[in-house]
Formats: sequence, C-alpha cells, structure tokens
Amino acid sequence: QQPVQSPQAVILREGEDAVINCSSSKALYSVHWYRQKHGEAPVFLMILLKGGEQKGHEKISASFNEKKQQSSLYLTASQLSYSGTYFCGTETSNTGKLIFGQGTTLQVKP
Amino acid sequence: DTEVTQTPKHLVMGMTNKKSLKCEQHMGHRAMYWYKQKAKKPPELMFVYSYEKLSINESVPSRFSPECPNSSLLNLHLHALQPEDSALYLCASSIPGQGKGEFFGPGTRLTVL
Repeated sequence: QQPVQSPQAVILREGEDAVINCSSSKALYSVHWYRQKHGEAPVFLMILLKGGEQKGHEKISASFNEKKQQSSLYLTASQLSYSGTYFCGTETSNTGKLIFGQGTTLQVKP
Repeated sequence: DTEVTQTPKHLVMGMTNKKSLKCEQHMGHRAMYWYKQKAKKPPELMFVYSYEKLSINESVPSRFSPECPNSSLLNLHLHALQPEDSALYLCASSIPGQGKGEFFGPGTRLTVL
C-alpha cells in the first residue's frame, strides 16, 4: 500500500519553512526520507524507526507518530539547494521492501 | 569509497536484444536493490538481494533477470523487453536489517525501441 504524501507541490522563498507529510494506512516499521533532484539519483536524508522519534539533520528534521502512522519532514530556513522532489518510503517490516510515496516537489526561489 | 556506480549510463535496445545492467558498491553493504523509475513517478522496487541471495521479487516479468555474483556486484539481465519497459533503472545498497537508509546509484536510462 503506497503511502500518501501531502502537499503534492510547494513553492517557497529562501528562508521560509515547509512541512511535508507522509501517511500510511498500515502499521509501519520504518519511514525513510529521500530527496531527488532532476536527473539525479535519490539521496537518503534520514530514517525513523517505529517507537516514535524525531531526528534532525542540520536544518532538516523529521518526526514519526506511530499512533497515527504518520511522518512529517520539516525544512527550516530553506535554501535554494533544498529544491527537488521529496519522497517518503515506508516499510511495514524489517525486510528491505520499501514503498515510496508519490513525491512532493519543492521549489525554493531567491 | 562511498558510492554506488552503475553502467552503462544510457542504453538503447531493440525488443529482440539481450543486454545487462551492472551495479557495483564497495561500502561493504550486504543488501542490494533494483528499482524502476518512470518520469515524474517514485522508484518502484523490483528485486532485493540480502547476503547475495534473492529475498524479494516484486512479481517482476521474467524478461528481467537479476544476478548477484558477489557482495559488491549486482547485475540485471534484460531480454525481449517491451517499449513500456523504458525507464530509469536504479540500483541501491544498504546495511541489511539495521534500519539503515539506502544509497542509490545514478541509474541507467533505458530506452526500448
């Protein structure tokens, strides 16, 4: 079952904040977050495991609400380099079977 | 060495051809993956190898045949493909079973004529 991401697209000015959400109808073992720039491979940002946690990576952080099976990616003080498509990927068990959401396109303008 | 390499970068083949895609990593990862990605769509999992053994096949047609000759190398053999198989084929690797992220290669852009 593919996770659902929202919003589908976001346009920001440099320095603004954004939140991208990822929801699953199934109980999750983990949530991964990746960023893919046009013509490039997806780049791993972070992983959150069941148990509910929040992780940070410079100005990009994420949370995982196990009760709601939802994860959110927080981008603060956005930079031009943050532009790209963000995918969440979910696992329902520790098998390596990752199912990606449909993606959220983020555009940061000067 | 912290990257996954894939060759070739681009491949054009006819429906009767046989070709192979190659993926290599030297990060000591023992899980390797093949994904297919169409334009403006997310990557779709095709195969997972864990410790050189095929652990997941996502009901992929037999015209795609994966092979993992050793812990660093992953191949995808292609035969009698269809035009709808044209896509970006991504290889990824990770440390299996430890809640670690996947590292992707740059992909092979495949066109089937």
